[in-house]
Amino acid sequence: NAGVTQTPKFQVLKTGQSMTLQCAQDMNHEYMSWYRQDPGMGLRLIHYSVGAGITDQGEVPNGYNVSRSTTEDFPLRLLSAAPSQTSVYFCASSYRGTGPNEKLFFGSGTQLSVL
Amino acid sequence: GENVEQHPSTLSVQEGDSAVIKCTYSDSASNYFPWYKQELGKGPQLIIDIRSNVGEKKDQRIAVTLNKTAKHFSLHITETQPEDSAVYFCAASSEEYGNKLVFGAGTILRVKS
Repeated sequence: NAGVTQTPKFQVLKTGQSMTLQCAQDMNHEYMSWYRQDPGMGLRLIHYSVGAGITDQGEVPNGYNVSRSTTEDFPLRLLSAAPSQTSVYFCASSYRGTGPNEKLFFGSGTQLSVL
Repeated sequence: GENVEQHPSTLSVQEGDSAVIKCTYSDSASNYFPWYKQELGKGPQLIIDIRSNVGEKKDQRIAVTLNKTAKHFSLHITETQPEDSAVYFCAASSEEYGNKLVFGAGTILRVKS
């Protein structure tokens, strides 16, 4: 099992550009989520999904879109990048039986810089 | 909504000593409290979690205690080793707010050998 795989590991964007952060898991987890990590602020929930076709907003959803067409994949889209979106982004997944957002398995992260 | 405060922000201990990290939460309805460890360049990894119906939980050198009345919970690491050096995050969630995790700001633990 590869676990939770995130690509790319690093990305530099210019203000206004769009991009998609990829996340895939091979553990057949129902729940998937995206967090951003900023210095001194811990991890903040952006969006999450409880299953294919179902998504919901987290604490800081503005400027980000998600979709969940398959159980395995949960991409995060930045529609028009802004310097405030410079951060490290983590994708996570968890078993349905443990409840959403419990016992999370995290990917290794994507470091994004917006100039 | 929930607010989680974590202290200290940095902690240095000598190898073999104990380390304690404390978190306070604001929402009395919170019922799930995990702790995550993040090593340099990696994603966070769950090390222990506790529910509100339990006061203490242990796993080898790691323990978590919960005081619901005071709304705080703590991570205890005994006999620290250099490989315990990492950033530790606490979090809290409640069913009332859709089980969304709210994380503390993190504690950098350095174990000196």
